[in-house]
Amino acid sequence: DGGITQSPKYLFRKEGQNVTLSCEQNLNHDAMYWYRQDPGQGLRLIYYSQIVNDFQKGDIAEGYSVSREKKESFPLTVTSAQKNPTAFYLCASSRADENTEAFFGQGTRLTVV
Amino acid sequence: SQQGEEDPQALSIQEGENATMNCSYKTSINNLQWYRQNSGRGLVHLILIRSNEREKHSGRLRVTLDTSKKSSSLLITASRAADTASYFCATDRYRGGTSYGKLTFGQGTILTVHP
Repeated sequence: DGGITQSPKYLFRKEGQNVTLSCEQNLNHDAMYWYRQDPGQGLRLIYYSQIVNDFQKGDIAEGYSVSREKKESFPLTVTSAQKNPTAFYLCASSRADENTEAFFGQGTRLTVV
Repeated sequence: SQQGEEDPQALSIQEGENATMNCSYKTSINNLQWYRQNSGRGLVHLILIRSNEREKHSGRLRVTLDTSKKSSSLLITASRAADTASYFCATDRYRGGTSYGKLTFGQGTILTVHP
């Protein structure tokens, strides 16, 4: 089955720790995205990548880092510099075209303990 | 930045009724998309309407777009309990180059359909 897979589903982080969220897709999409969703709110763009070995900051990149070493993978690291990391994180991918839909993973819920 | 504002924030209806959700946005767009999210899950794409289109249908879904008013509406006809979910509009402000696919989401409408 083609799709986009995020892991883990739930993640707990201690104060001061970095954690990495995994996102893998087998849809052969060039573009991948990370969004953050807080309760009762819409999604906000953290980082995006349109091609391997290139990525751009979104609207709320501070305290996050990404890499795009393979077309299929776009991991997100939540660093200790992110002061309020508790949220639901969603990864998405799409064709690198105009007027194209995004395909989303099932999300990772990160909680700081 | 949140470009879209959705109205209402919550909508509660009975099975068989129609549900209408509205979305307003601020800047010019390339297309507007609607997504559905079941509680605690990822988003699922429902429909995309381009800036030069005024209306689009997909099954029980009808989407309109008024670029002069910077607004869109999603109508779900003959609703079912399984339609219970959050619905988000998202705008694509593609300006050429590598900016495609950067969606800006509204805050969503929570739809509850009672059996």
